[in-house]
Amino acid sequence: ILNVEQSPQSLHVQEGDSTNFTCSFPSSNFYALHWYRWETAKSPEALFVMTLNGDEKKKGRISATLNTKEGYSYLYIKGSQPEDSATYLCAFAMNRDDKIIFGKGTRLHILP
Amino acid sequence: DGGITQSPKYLFRKEGQNVTLSCEQNLNHDAMYWYRQDPGQGLRLIYYSQIVNDFQKGDIAEGYSVSREKKESFPLTVTSAQKNPTAFYLCASKKTGGVHGYTFGSGTRLTVV
Repeated sequence: ILNVEQSPQSLHVQEGDSTNFTCSFPSSNFYALHWYRWETAKSPEALFVMTLNGDEKKKGRISATLNTKEGYSYLYIKGSQPEDSATYLCAFAMNRDDKIIFGKGTRLHILP
Repeated sequence: DGGITQSPKYLFRKEGQNVTLSCEQNLNHDAMYWYRQDPGQGLRLIYYSQIVNDFQKGDIAEGYSVSREKKESFPLTVTSAQKNPTAFYLCASKKTGGVHGYTFGSGTRLTVV
């Protein structure tokens, strides 16, 4: 059974602090790794889709890294703001199969 | 603006009744997906379709049916055979041919009483 693990499950961060969390996935038959941000009462929004080992992507204060050999990705948020409060989902795509497998998410709460 | 529309946002049905959830997109995406979310679980794939008039079962297809008669539309029917239909249902779409992120709808919360 393929499993995508995200940790921690929940995280409280003071406004202005930086933070990061992890996504672990099977290292064999890797095709792509997705990150999504899901704010309450909204639709999940694509942040990054990463394919290459060692890849780093950045969008404003949010960045992600990818290690396909050991099967993990980190998502970093620099200088957290209230609008960063959301659930962050990662999803793993195997081979060129069009299905992706989601983790359970990391719920981030930014404290004022 | 292009996007995905799911309707209704909230749906209540009596046990034993079939119910159809709507998903429409105007993004010209070929692939469409249905996911289910339960408390404490990740999104689980019910059905997906990569082209009109073709669809495949996902990981939890039992008790569900779909159709893909038009590129824009991918309705999901929750049948009376689905043992635990109360859940949050998300529809998504994606371009094919290459690595692309998914675009999601805003979801339908189905409650069966």
